[in-house]
Amino acid sequence: SYVLTQPPSVSVAPGETARIPCGGTNLGGKSVHWYQQKPGQAPVLVIYSDVARPSGIPERFSGSNSGSQASLTISRVEAGDEADYYCQVWETGSGLRVFGGGTKLTVL
Amino acid sequence: QVHLVESGGELVQPGRSLRISCAASEFYFSRYNMNWVRQAPGKGLEWVAYTSRDAVIKYYADFAKGRLTISRDNSNNRLFLQMNSLRPDDTALYYCAREGEGGSLDYWGQGTLVTVSS
Repeated sequence: SYVLTQPPSVSVAPGETARIPCGGTNLGGKSVHWYQQKPGQAPVLVIYSDVARPSGIPERFSGSNSGSQASLTISRVEAGDEADYYCQVWETGSGLRVFGGGTKLTVL
Repeated sequence: QVHLVESGGELVQPGRSLRISCAASEFYFSRYNMNWVRQAPGKGLEWVAYTSRDAVIKYYADFAKGRLTISRDNSNNRLFLQMNSLRPDDTALYYCAREGEGGSLDYWGQGTLVTVSS
């Protein structure tokens, strides 16, 4: 089955830019979605279809996807951005939905 | 505002069955594909199952095939997950999630906790 690979953790200072990668075979040919999950809360969709932002998500959140890697970029990181972030795709061939293992973003 | 509320989670012994449900409101439930996603304590998100809006097409994660069954009642705006032959590693918070554009999950409930233990 399809596998999405994320680093367990990423650390960044406030005001800096955080980049969270997500790797997978031919990932650039798929639509990647990103979720933010804060402790004790349900996940929230922050990027869908590689680059689109749902209503209410700050412009500081952006996405990209090419080749075998997608990335979630958070500009001007704030303390409130500290959370776990998950990438996800829909394997159209099998119908399965797949999540990456998640990345814990720490704001130093 | 889209509202999803899961219920039915409880402590259950290994090998027993349990059905959890998700009540949907503030949107046209019958027009949306739906999913179940689970999260074991301290672990990441794990997709469980999908149903099309008309319940004709269903997909399951490998661990769910043959034991877990997703269903829906569009007349009453409810999504269900029937879980049989439960195992300790099924212990998790189970979320229902509405499917949005491109297979994204645009709205989530707060989850219902299923604990499998003797």
